Order: sequence, then structure tokens, then C-alpha cells
Amino acid sequence: EPEVTQTPSHQVTQMGQEVILRCVPISNHLYFYWYRQILGQKVEFLVSFYNNEISEKSEIFDDQFSVERPDGSNFTLKIRSTKLEDSAMYFCASSVGGDQPQHFGDGTRLSIL
Amino acid sequence: AQSVTQLGSHVSVSEGALVLLRCNYSSSVPPYLFWYVQYPNQGLQLLLKYTSAATLVKGINGFEAEFKKSETSFHLTKPSAHMSDAAEYFCAVSVENTDKLIFGTGTRLQVFP
Repeated sequence: EPEVTQTPSHQVTQMGQEVILRCVPISNHLYFYWYRQILGQKVEFLVSFYNNEISEKSEIFDDQFSVERPDGSNFTLKIRSTKLEDSAMYFCASSVGGDQPQHFGDGTRLSIL
Repeated sequence: AQSVTQLGSHVSVSEGALVLLRCNYSSSVPPYLFWYVQYPNQGLQLLLKYTSAATLVKGINGFEAEFKKSETSFHLTKPSAHMSDAAEYFCAVSVENTDKLIFGTGTRLQVFP
């Protein structure tokens, strides 16, 4: 069964550094999402992306965050200047349609030192 | 605004016993409801979804959930627990005009032999 794949599985970064989290959505999917889960807390929506533009974003997704689909297969989340509170598990998801179930990757654990 | 509440952060059952995980939602418009399962160090896997068709929804691994509008509930059940069911379970809601998922805080299911 097709899967959403995320790399790396674990990223350790110094505070203030830029980080890029990578995702390869399922190939025929058109809608892409990023969520995060701070340790011990609920999964939170960050951003949705369709037709090469952001369709919705949460309050968490401030100017430090950006998303890109650079080559038609990868979907990336960039955090420009990381803060300690950005430490979390970041999940990528994709779906074939906006009202269809979202399929999640295994996540990238981001640790900010 | 939409929200979900999962009562009970931890549920413990014996192998072979009934599993009941509770989810109540809040939505001003007809919701789409989902249950996802998360095994250790893995992403979120869709168990089942409700999208306004049949109120009793059957999912994978023997799980099912019933949409009860009068109770604003979407509880997850399984007649007989298996050791492999031990995981964290998340209820989520979305509505037609937005495809972002809003998650509950999760319920950790433990199954004892």
C-alpha cells in the first residue's frame, strides 16, 4: 500500500538554525498537510497546501514557517530560525481530495537544543 | 468552532474484553469524524471515518464506531480486545468547508493478558 514517507526520522538542531523537514506524499494525492505534536500534547494542524499554494494555516504557522513543493514529489516544511518551543514531532499527511481521509507519515522528531 | 473531547486519557482492558473509547464532538455544521491509531514510534493510521452516510461505521482490525447526533458522540468499540490493540487512539473532526483535522487529546489503550 502506498505510504507517506518523511525524512529524517529525527533531527537535532541548535536554536536559531534553519531546519527543513521533508515529506514524499502518496503519488496521486493532491492535498498536503503538516501537523505537529508537542510531547504529551494533542496533534495540532499547521498548514494545508493545494495547487501550489497554502489553502489554510493555523496561528502556529507564523512567518518563521514556510512550505514548498519544489519538484512535484517532495513537500517540505522549513522553519527559518528555530526556537526551543519548536521541539515536537512533525507529521506530514496527504489526501486525494479535500474531503477524503488524510494519510500520515511516521513523523520527524525535531529536537531544538 | 469545531472540537473533540476524549474522555479518559488511559483505558485498560483484559484481552478478550470489550473496548470502549469515548469521543464527543462539538460542531455547528455536520461534521466528518475520524478515528486514528498511533502505534509507538509510528504515524497516525486511519481506523475509520464517518462522512454522513451510515451512522454505524466499520473500520479495520475489528473496530467500529457509531455516530449519535443526539449525544454528539462517536465512540469507538471493539467486542474483544487483542494484545496488538495496545496503542494511542485519536478522535478527529473536520467540516465541509475546511479539510484541516482537529484532534482530541488521545486515549492510550492498554491490554492485559
